[in-house]
Amino acid sequence: GAGVSQTPSNKVTEKGKYVELRCDPISGHTALYWYRQSLGQGPEFLIYFQGTGAADDSGLPNDRFFAVRPEGSVSTLKIQRTERGDSAVYLCASSSQGVAYTDTQYFGPGTRLTVL
Amino acid sequence: DQQVKQNSPSLSVQEGRISILNCDYTNSMFDYFLWYKKYPAEGPTFLISISSIKDKNEDGRFTVFLNKSAKHLSLHIVPSQPGDSAVYFCAARTGGSNYKLTFGKGTLLTVNP
Repeated sequence: GAGVSQTPSNKVTEKGKYVELRCDPISGHTALYWYRQSLGQGPEFLIYFQGTGAADDSGLPNDRFFAVRPEGSVSTLKIQRTERGDSAVYLCASSSQGVAYTDTQYFGPGTRLTVL
Repeated sequence: DQQVKQNSPSLSVQEGRISILNCDYTNSMFDYFLWYKKYPAEGPTFLISISSIKDKNEDGRFTVFLNKSAKHLSLHIVPSQPGDSAVYFCAARTGGSNYKLTFGKGTLLTVNP
């Protein structure tokens, strides 16, 4: 079946602009996650959705970052007033439940964001 | 602070030999550990996991060993194949928030034919 998809695959923007990154999870997966991978680092947790609600947004770096999942499927990560330090690969993952001990997270290919 | 550490940025081995990738952690609350493999321009792919109640888990050519007292785990790949060349990430999570993965920086494995 189809895996996690993310669009766009690449996004170049200018400092101060607004961007939206989209994630389509695996069909039927109730849990969705956003991670950010900076150059030379491993992925870092940003936010976790269980259904439509953000169960944990403790990883969002500041209030310029916001994410939604209005119908419990597709999610959008929104970044306002982008800064050069926001440049990274943004990874989305989904899993069937989110709370099961052995629940596996399946990752999408990521969106590479470059802020000039 | 880095709670999951992969101190070797890269590793090169010959095809057919054993690859050993290492990972150390500092958070004693971690009770479930995973290895992900990542090819360029793709997302991480789950490889193998181990619960803290075990010290070994095996899946085909891949074995993960956990030493809780040393807060150390390792991934063994035997025999190594050129298609195993990728970045390998060690990840961990706690029982209290078992949705949140904490990743190491990764180790680039190159398997030479």
